[in-house]
Amino acid sequence: KAGVTQTPRYLIKTRGQQVTLSCSPISGHRSVSWYQQTPGQGLQFLFEYFSETQRNKGNFPGRFSGRQFSNSRSEMNVSTLELGDSALYLCASSSSQDRDNEQFFGPGTRLTVL
Amino acid sequence: KQEVTQIPAALSVPEGENLVLNCSFTDSAIYNLQWFRQDPGKGLTSLLLIQSSQREQTSGRLNASLDKSSGRSTLYIAASQPGDSATYLCAVTRDSNYQLIWGAGTKLIIKP
Repeated sequence: KAGVTQTPRYLIKTRGQQVTLSCSPISGHRSVSWYQQTPGQGLQFLFEYFSETQRNKGNFPGRFSGRQFSNSRSEMNVSTLELGDSALYLCASSSSQDRDNEQFFGPGTRLTVL
Repeated sequence: KQEVTQIPAALSVPEGENLVLNCSFTDSAIYNLQWFRQDPGKGLTSLLLIQSSQREQTSGRLNASLDKSSGRSTLYIAASQPGDSATYLCAVTRDSNYQLIWGAGTKLIIKP
């Protein structure tokens, strides 16, 4: 069974640009969550999607948005990039039928904003 | 507001030692607690998940315990190996909410 995949693995952008990151969950998983990891703030929750609906959202500005498609793949978009958006962005998938709610993570996308 | 703390921030021990990593949380109303491992520049690997109704979980040389009432979890690593060197993170979820709330991690170095 394939794991969680994220594309691209690395991105370099300049301030003011926008970026879209993609996440494909484990087959059969319908929940996808996104996290930002930085040396200063650690891991922080961005949002969670289930069946194409955003169920939960963290404390990030509106420049951070996401969506989920009918095949459970998810995209995350960051507009008007700032230097502070440089981070490792991780997505995790979980099975709604798994009582444990165990989350499985992809390798991440490392975004550098210049 | 739930806060998760991991102490120590870094730990260096010789190969072969048994060791304990600590995780504490301020709100005992958790759904579950997960321990993860992260290698430098890489994603997260789930090690163990403990439901709030459970006391411990074991996988190979790893054993995680949970004491909800005191807001503490420990990860016990037996017979440590250099390959165990990584950052270990704990995270909790509130009720059935999928949002993970994270500790800052313990960076573990096992010296050959």
